[in-house]
Amino acid sequence: DTGVSQDPRHKITKRGQNVTFRCDPISEHNRLYWYRQTLGQGPEFLTYFQNEAQLEKSRLLSDRFSAERPKGSFSTLEIQRTEQGDSAMYLCASSPTTGHYNGYTFGSGTRLTVV
Amino acid sequence: RKEVEQDPGPFNVPEGATVAFNCTYSNSASQSFFWYRQDCRKEPKLLMSVYSSGNEDGRFTAQLNRASQYISLLIRDSKLSDSATYLCVNGGATNKLIFGTGTLLAVQP
Repeated sequence: DTGVSQDPRHKITKRGQNVTFRCDPISEHNRLYWYRQTLGQGPEFLTYFQNEAQLEKSRLLSDRFSAERPKGSFSTLEIQRTEQGDSAMYLCASSPTTGHYNGYTFGSGTRLTVV
Repeated sequence: RKEVEQDPGPFNVPEGATVAFNCTYSNSASQSFFWYRQDCRKEPKLLMSVYSSGNEDGRFTAQLNRASQYISLLIRDSKLSDSATYLCVNGGATNKLIFGTGTLLAVQP
């Protein structure tokens, strides 16, 4: 296991289409986080899971966004009816329960462009 | 008021210079503090954790002032390879990390 993996790396979609991104965390990490980053901004928190439980969701996560982590391993983030404002880098990160003071390990991100 | 505030820069410094970044945070209950480095179009990577006692890692020194709610990062003897965006980060009891907008550093030959 070499780190957090995200797929795809890039996604171009037409406005109104649905997209789904996948994140595979570091295998021994039971916490998984999704962030969104737009140009010139820092990453903004979207949601986080501990094992399969989604414990917190940001107000940024509108009803068009849904995230799952069905078996406590990989996670998916789906955006329905995409809008141009959804264009951003979507970052996934993971951490162990006891690693709170060590920060997160991020994946390389999925860059979404809505045209 | 943003939870974590940083000067976005850019900071343009010559090689060998010493540069300092400050960051303020609004949540007095924050429990953990970090500096992350982000290269252009790459993911953020942990640079160092920040402790109340201060900590040093080679040319990098981080300080935390809880009374004034600010964090600092000092880079000595800047290298061209230090050019990046430096993100100030803090975390509370919910394990959610809050990122600042980042400070862009450009080290010039």
